[in-house]
Amino acid sequence: EIVLTQSPATLSLSPGERATLSCRASQSVSSYLAWYQQKPGQAPRLLIFDASNRATGIPARFSGSGSGTDFTLTISSLEPEDFAVYYCQLRTNWPLTFGGGTKVEI
Amino acid sequence: QVHLVESGGGVVQPGRSLRLSCAASGFTFTSFGLHWVRQAPGKGLEWMTFISYDGTNKYYADSVKGRFTISRDSSKNTLFLQMNTLRAEDTAVYYCARDFSYYFDTWGQGTLVTVSS
Repeated sequence: EIVLTQSPATLSLSPGERATLSCRASQSVSSYLAWYQQKPGQAPRLLIFDASNRATGIPARFSGSGSGTDFTLTISSLEPEDFAVYYCQLRTNWPLTFGGGTKVEI
Repeated sequence: QVHLVESGGGVVQPGRSLRLSCAASGFTFTSFGLHWVRQAPGKGLEWMTFISYDGTNKYYADSVKGRFTISRDSSKNTLFLQMNTLRAEDTAVYYCARDFSYYFDTWGQGTLVTVSS
C-alpha cells in the first residue's frame, strides 16, 4: 500500500499570505493525486484532481503541482474562508488512500 | 443540483449491526460509482468501500472486509452500507461520495455512528 505523508501538520499564516502544502508518496504515483479542503463540521470538498486540475467552481488562487512522489498545493493569497484542513488522496490502486492532513490556521 | 443525503447512523453496541443509507438526487444514479468514506472523531479521512455504477464491482478496505457490505438500489437511487460485527474503532462520521475517476467529487453531509456499550 502506498503511503501519503503530508507536511507540515500545521501551517500558521495570516490572510493574504501564500500557503504551500506538501504531499509525498512512498512510491511513484504518476499524477493520480487529488486535494480536498475540509472545514469544521463540514464534508470535504474536491479542490484539485490529477495533481494540477482545478475542480468545478474552485477559485484560481488554488493550484496544484507535482508528479511522481512529490506534490504541492499552493494557495496564492489566503482568504479568511481558506483556513481549514487539507487532505491529499491517491487513486492509483485499491485501497484508495488519504494523507494525514495539513491544518492551515490563522 | 447533485445531492447526497446519508441516514441510519446512531449508537450501537459492539458486535451489533447497522445499515446506513445514502439517498442520491440531481444526477443519473446508474451512471456513477459510489463510495463510503469515514472519519473518526478528530482524525483524518479513511476510504471504506466502492461500488461500480452497475453494482458489479466492489472493493473494500482491509479494515472492514468481511464485516461491511456495500450495495445499491437503482429503483430508489439509494446506496447502502451494511455494517456487521461493529467495533469501537468503527466509531466515525460516515460519508457517501460520488465517484469521479476514483476521486470524490460530491459528498453527503455525513452520518455519525457510535459503537459503545
